[in-house]
Amino acid sequence: AQKVTQAQTEISVVEKEDVTLDCVYETRDTTYYLFWYKQPPSGELVFLIRRNSFDEQNEISGRYSWNFQKSTSSFNFTITASQVVDSAVYFCALRFGTGANNLFFGTGTRLTVIP
Amino acid sequence: DVKVTQSSRYLVKRTGEKVFLECVQDMDHENMFWYRQDPGLGLRLIYFSYDVKMKEKGDIPEGYSVSREKKERFSLILESASTNQTSMYLCASSTGTTSGNTIYFGEGSWLTVV
Repeated sequence: AQKVTQAQTEISVVEKEDVTLDCVYETRDTTYYLFWYKQPPSGELVFLIRRNSFDEQNEISGRYSWNFQKSTSSFNFTITASQVVDSAVYFCALRFGTGANNLFFGTGTRLTVIP
Repeated sequence: DVKVTQSSRYLVKRTGEKVFLECVQDMDHENMFWYRQDPGLGLRLIYFSYDVKMKEKGDIPEGYSVSREKKERFSLILESASTNQTSMYLCASSTGTTSGNTIYFGEGSWLTVV
């Protein structure tokens, strides 16, 4: 069965701290894609990154970085020097195969950055 | 940048009313989706469209219908709104249905049925 687990329900950090959001996934497919989305209080789901199962290189984009490790089935997301605008719910998602209903979301991690 | 626009952000409707939620995407995507998001239940797929006038049911289509007359526009219709349809509705689009195609979401429509 396909599954995405975000064990951290809520995290609070003080501004400028670094924070890592964990994501563990489960799939039998050898080809799949992993995603992170951000959902601020306004509601829109904002796409942040996509990573395919054959590319384990870490990625950095500004203050954001992602660590993909197939050996532990994890795709963790780190925010460096957090800011209040980073406060949101972050979702990790897994997409595999073909079809309309092939996108599986984790339950999300609510990040609060305290000024 | 991909833009998925939902015309109504906040709606309050009465039980039994017919409700239209409109969505437009500007990236010429073939595929469009309607999800609802509820606390504790995550995102659930209501309907999917892979082409103009084509549609497929998702996990929870009961009480909903959809319309796709133009490629860029996908409408969700609540034929007779009920209180259990109070939710956040998210429209999305994608170039294809394979795993490598990113699904882009709109800003969401918060619907309250009283």
